[in-house]
Amino acid sequence: AQSVTQLGSHVSVSEGALVLLRCNYSSSVPPYLFWYVQYPNQGLQLLLKYTSAATLVKGINGFEAEFKKSETSFHLTKPSAHMSDAAEYFCAVSDRSSNTGKLIFGQGTTLQVKP
Amino acid sequence: IAGITQAPTSQILAAGRRMTLRCTQDMRHNAMYWYRQDLGLGLRLIHYSNTAGTTGKGEVPDGYSVSRANTDDFPLTLASAVPSQTSVYFCASSEVPGNTIYFGEGSWLTVV
Repeated sequence: AQSVTQLGSHVSVSEGALVLLRCNYSSSVPPYLFWYVQYPNQGLQLLLKYTSAATLVKGINGFEAEFKKSETSFHLTKPSAHMSDAAEYFCAVSDRSSNTGKLIFGQGTTLQVKP
Repeated sequence: IAGITQAPTSQILAAGRRMTLRCTQDMRHNAMYWYRQDLGLGLRLIHYSNTAGTTGKGEVPDGYSVSRANTDDFPLTLASAVPSQTSVYFCASSEVPGNTIYFGEGSWLTVV
């Protein structure tokens, strides 16, 4: 069975600082992994996804994530935080062990960006 | 702009009442999903449909039902609402099961 753990429910960085949001997964099959962002009172928007091609995946808004099979990790990074990055971020793995196609989400990490 | 439309955007509902959350997508996606989002729990799947005419249960299906009469619509019904169903509900879709999932803007439901 697949699962996702996001380390840290709340991360605070200064504007211009590196953003690192951690995600570890468990999967019995090669995983498809996703990062979504949710701005206040909005739905989820896809940031990036890994589907077994390049291990370093670039997404929107300057974010990227690296798939590391040996560490079962898919951490999200951005070199320089902007105030507009403040949001909740969800890591998810696609349930490829069944035919549902559903996503299994982590609990989410709230990113705060301080001026 | 094409996408997923949910209605209502928000609703306050008396316990015991019946409620249907509507979801329509215009992307001709085969798969559709209903998730609920609760603080500290992330998003949990309620029900899903891989194609019109079929539905399946997710992680938290109790108290909810769905139907998929056609490709575009996937309504979620609470037969007799209870306060624990207070949540934000997201409808989502993907072209085929396993592809990228796209989300609607959510329906905020409060059961009192």
